[in-house]
Amino acid sequence: SQTIHQWPATLVQPVGSPLSLECTVEGTSNPNLYWYRQAAGRGLQLLFYSVGIGQISSEVPQNLSASRPQDRQFILSSKKLLLSDSGFYLCAWSVPSGDTQYFGPGTRLTVL
Amino acid sequence: EDQVTQSPEALRLQEGESSSLNCSYTVSGLRGLFWYRQDPGKGPEFLFTLYSAGEEKEKERLKATLTKKESFLHITAPKPEDSATYLCAVWAGSARQLTFGSGTQLTVLP
Repeated sequence: SQTIHQWPATLVQPVGSPLSLECTVEGTSNPNLYWYRQAAGRGLQLLFYSVGIGQISSEVPQNLSASRPQDRQFILSSKKLLLSDSGFYLCAWSVPSGDTQYFGPGTRLTVL
Repeated sequence: EDQVTQSPEALRLQEGESSSLNCSYTVSGLRGLFWYRQDPGKGPEFLFTLYSAGEEKEKERLKATLTKKESFLHITAPKPEDSATYLCAVWAGSARQLTFGSGTQLTVLP
């Protein structure tokens, strides 16, 4: 069966510091991978998606970037965090044709 | 632009009191409608995918239905453990991503 991992689970960072969140998927090959942000009381906002190694599409201009160095690894980064980057970050995967997305446990990021 | 609206925003039920959550959508070429359950501080858990009007799917006390304009998530005789936020999402047209609604926060009181 497929599993998806995210770490860290929680993170508190000062404004201006760098960020690296990691997501890995097990039990599937060549998945589509997604990064979402969920603000309190709001729906999910798609940040990035990837259909393969090194292939990243950005949905929202922002302070963040994503990379996919391996088939089942997806990384969300920032060089300098802003207060507005605080939120709940979710990674998800789907089969290559799209369709149902399965979510990881999430990372709670607080920028102070 | 694809739009998904969920109602009500919050719903409080007594244990055993059946009800329905609504997800209305405006999209061009629906390819799939998805329901997720999200517990506080956790990632969304997949419940159902519906592909065409008239389709229904059931899981325990939950039943999801789909029309050309909306989907309902029916909860029969809910229990306190059904308390969660329920999210609806659509996949439409040539989009590679899902469009999510803001969710319905369900509280079931014992």
